[in-house]
Amino acid sequence: NAGVTQTPKFQVLKTGQSMTLQCAQDMNHNSMYWYRQDPGMGLRLIYYSASEGTTDKGEVPNGYNVSRLNKREFSLRLESAAPSQTSVYFCAAPGTGSSYEQYFGPGTRLTVT
Amino acid sequence: SQQGEEDPQALSIQEGENATMNCSYKTSINNLQWYRQNSGRGLVHLILIRSNEREKHSGRLRVTLDTSKKSSSLLITASRAADTASYFCATVPRSNDYKLSFGAGTTVTVRA
Repeated sequence: NAGVTQTPKFQVLKTGQSMTLQCAQDMNHNSMYWYRQDPGMGLRLIYYSASEGTTDKGEVPNGYNVSRLNKREFSLRLESAAPSQTSVYFCAAPGTGSSYEQYFGPGTRLTVT
Repeated sequence: SQQGEEDPQALSIQEGENATMNCSYKTSINNLQWYRQNSGRGLVHLILIRSNEREKHSGRLRVTLDTSKKSSSLLITASRAADTASYFCATVPRSNDYKLSFGAGTTVTVRA
């Protein structure tokens, strides 16, 4: 049972380049989440998907797009990367118990130069 | 803006001592959760306390919740070196129980 997986683990982009972060969960839960974590700021919600086919903005959605491809997969896309998007990105999904407790992937460390 | 704020920002204790950290939040909540993050890793869920609960225990962890003061505390008893990590409180608001809002965290260092 892998829980939540993310790819890639590390990425370096130049300003203006695009990329997609992939996330998959095997807990068969409806909702999935993308967060970013900057030093000293905790996690901030970028986008979430309450169920397959729906997505909603979180606290810091500007500069990002998401796709809920199916129940299992939720991707985050940076269309034109900026240095301010240098961060660690985490995907999360609720576990098989309470729908409130979230399981996190290992994270993607992104640097934009 | 972030919902929760932890206090202190950093804490250094001797192995065997207790560690206490606090969290304050701003809006009405459905529940409050605590997570641990080891350096360079993802967050791990520790404990959840619902808005109608005042205290909850899990192993060496004790969580209290005071909804009148909009605050919570996490106590780790008999700390071990393996407890060295950052601890985050997170709240689920009554207005939207899909969203989880995190504080900035408390970094705990347990000295051997």
